[in-house]
Amino acid sequence: DVKVTQSSRYLVKRTGEKVFLECVQDMDHENMFWYRQDPGLGLRLIYFSYDVKMKEKGDIPEGYSVSREKKERFSLILESASTNQTSMYLCASGSIFGETQYFGPGTRLLVL
Amino acid sequence: DAKTTQPNSMESNEEEPVHLPCNHSTISGTDYIHWYRQLPSQGPEYVIHGLTSNVNNRMASLAIAEDRKSSTLILHRATLRDAAVYYCILRVVVYNQGGKLIFGQGTELSVKP
Repeated sequence: DVKVTQSSRYLVKRTGEKVFLECVQDMDHENMFWYRQDPGLGLRLIYFSYDVKMKEKGDIPEGYSVSREKKERFSLILESASTNQTSMYLCASGSIFGETQYFGPGTRLLVL
Repeated sequence: DAKTTQPNSMESNEEEPVHLPCNHSTISGTDYIHWYRQLPSQGPEYVIHGLTSNVNNRMASLAIAEDRKSSTLILHRATLRDAAVYYCILRVVVYNQGGKLIFGQGTELSVKP
């Protein structure tokens, strides 16, 4: 079974802190994605990556950056966390030829 | 980007069929129609997808209109475990780079015993 794991299920940070959210997949997938999910807004794509060291902006990249140094790992970075980044963050992976994205369980981030 | 429109919520009785509608009037010829669902406190999971023809798998069936401007996810016998938010999604094909999913608002399905 495909497994996508995220480093934390719950995280509490203070405004201005640098925050790292880690995502690891075990299926050698080329594609990896970061979404955030907010009530009434659904899932929105932040960044995605089609290969190591490659990244593409999604629909709401402002305030975020990403890193993909290894194929299995895709990190989302909040350089200076703000309260409006309080949200559920979901990572997903998929093969370049596949139709399916596999999602992790999510990280619920609270920024105080 | 192409968008989808779904009812906010639907109710079903256990062991009855459920038809979840989705409109995607601005779909382009290469966009695949995907359905995912999200159970409480979990990430979304894949249900089914199609391009032009109707599709069946062990979880559900997907009926696609001839003009592709709408589709319907069919759960043949709803169970309590099918209570979830169902997302109708268009998969945008980017040549040689896989595709990204454009999520809509989803339909919250409740199943009554």
